[in-house]
Amino acid sequence: EPEVTQTPSHQVTQMGQEVILRCVPISNHLYFYWYRQILGQKVEFLVSFYNNEISEKSEIFDDQFSVERPDGSNFTLKIRSTKLEDSAMYFCASSDQGGQLSPLHFGNGTRLTVT
Amino acid sequence: RKEVEQDPGPFNVPEGATVAFNCTYSNSASQSFFWYRQDCRKEPKLLMSVYSSGNEDGRFTAQLNRASQYISLLIRDSKLSDSATYLCVVNVRGGAGTALIFGKGTTLSVSS
Repeated sequence: EPEVTQTPSHQVTQMGQEVILRCVPISNHLYFYWYRQILGQKVEFLVSFYNNEISEKSEIFDDQFSVERPDGSNFTLKIRSTKLEDSAMYFCASSDQGGQLSPLHFGNGTRLTVT
Repeated sequence: RKEVEQDPGPFNVPEGATVAFNCTYSNSASQSFFWYRQDCRKEPKLLMSVYSSGNEDGRFTAQLNRASQYISLLIRDSKLSDSATYLCVVNVRGGAGTALIFGKGTTLSVSS
C-alpha cells in the first residue's frame, strides 16, 4: 500500500535555528497538509496546500512557517526561527481529493525537539 | 465550546467487551466525519468514515446525529489490539484542501 514518508524521524535543534521537515506524499495525491501534535495534546491543523499554493492555514501557521513543493515529489515545512514551543510531532498528510469525504493519509511523523 | 469534544477516558475493558465512544462537534456546518485511531507516538490512521445513515465495518459501528451534532463509535468483541486512542475528526467546510479538526481522543485499554 502506498504511504506518505517523512524525514527525518527525529530532529533536534537549538532555539532560533531554522529547520526543514520533509515529506513525500502518495504519488497520485493532489492535496497536502501539515499537522502538529504537542506531546499529550490533540492533533492540530497547520496548513493545506493544493495546486502549488496554500489553500488554508491556521493561526498557528504564522510568518515563521512556510511550505514548499520544490519538485514533483517533495513537500516541505520550514520553520525559520524555532522556539521552544515548536517542539512537537509534525505530521504530513495527503489526500487524492479535497474536503468532503476524502480521508487523509498521514506520514509517520517527525519529532522536533527544540532546546 | 470546543470544536470537537470527546470523553478522554481512559476506558479500561476486558477482552470481548463492547465499548462505545461519544463525540460532539460545535459547528453545525460540518460536512464530513471520521474516526481515526492513534497508537502511542504514532500517526493517526483512518478507522472509518461516518455517514448519515450510520455504517458498520466488522466489529466497528459508527453513527451520526446531525440534529444533536453527535457522533458515536461502537466496538464489539474488543481485542487486545484495539487498545489505542480513538480520534473523532470533523471536516467543517468541505472545500478543496480544507482542514480536519481533531478531538483530543478517547483512550481505550483492552486487557486479557
